[in-house]
Amino acid sequence: DQQVKQNSPSLSVQEGRISILNCDYTNSMFDYFLWYKKYPAEGPTFLISISSIKDKNEDGRFTVFLNKSAKHLSLHIVPSQPGDSAVYFCAAQNSGGYQKVTFGIGTKLQVIP
Amino acid sequence: NAGVMQNPRHLVRRRGQEARLRCSPMKGHSHVYWYRQLPEEGLKFMVYLQKENIIDESGMPKERFSAEFPKEGPSILRIQQVVRGDSAAYFCASSRSGRAQDTQYFGPGTRLTVL
Repeated sequence: DQQVKQNSPSLSVQEGRISILNCDYTNSMFDYFLWYKKYPAEGPTFLISISSIKDKNEDGRFTVFLNKSAKHLSLHIVPSQPGDSAVYFCAAQNSGGYQKVTFGIGTKLQVIP
Repeated sequence: NAGVMQNPRHLVRRRGQEARLRCSPMKGHSHVYWYRQLPEEGLKFMVYLQKENIIDESGMPKERFSAEFPKEGPSILRIQQVVRGDSAAYFCASSRSGRAQDTQYFGPGTRLTVL
């Protein structure tokens, strides 16, 4: 049972344009959401997070939007750079518990120079 | 400022052998998590440990898998009598506290191949 879903396995974007990565979740207990970035042969690296009390969080070129009623979040990267090419994992937690993190299967982003 | 260390990076075992994967958390971190990534899948939680204690092993297969995090030394994920289906990337993460929203930092992973 996939509680965090990333329905697009891959995405190609031109350098300088916006990349939008989408994520849906099914577990209503999730109230904290994270995006991780992963390069080949490396571990995931934390990118940005958002609490369910917010609907937007921004950090430089990265913005995460949360729509609780739709159980949907998205990561926007503007402008996209070739170095952003990686696999992006959406993840979720129930902050009332401890740190168990549930991951999606990832979206592979390719930014074309 | 060493991050999370995992070794070995690559491990090849024949069916029936044992695999031992090691994880040294970041300095000052006493909470360790193990995840497994099967081909074409996301990371799946296996076990959460604090020094000398297993807090949650709900993601661990019931047989052949065990984990420990002793008072001294790295955390160990042990897989006995490996089978081909155990071939995967195993990632360790650590955090300073066990509270949600405390960032987990991941190691580079150990890629286990079972022949």
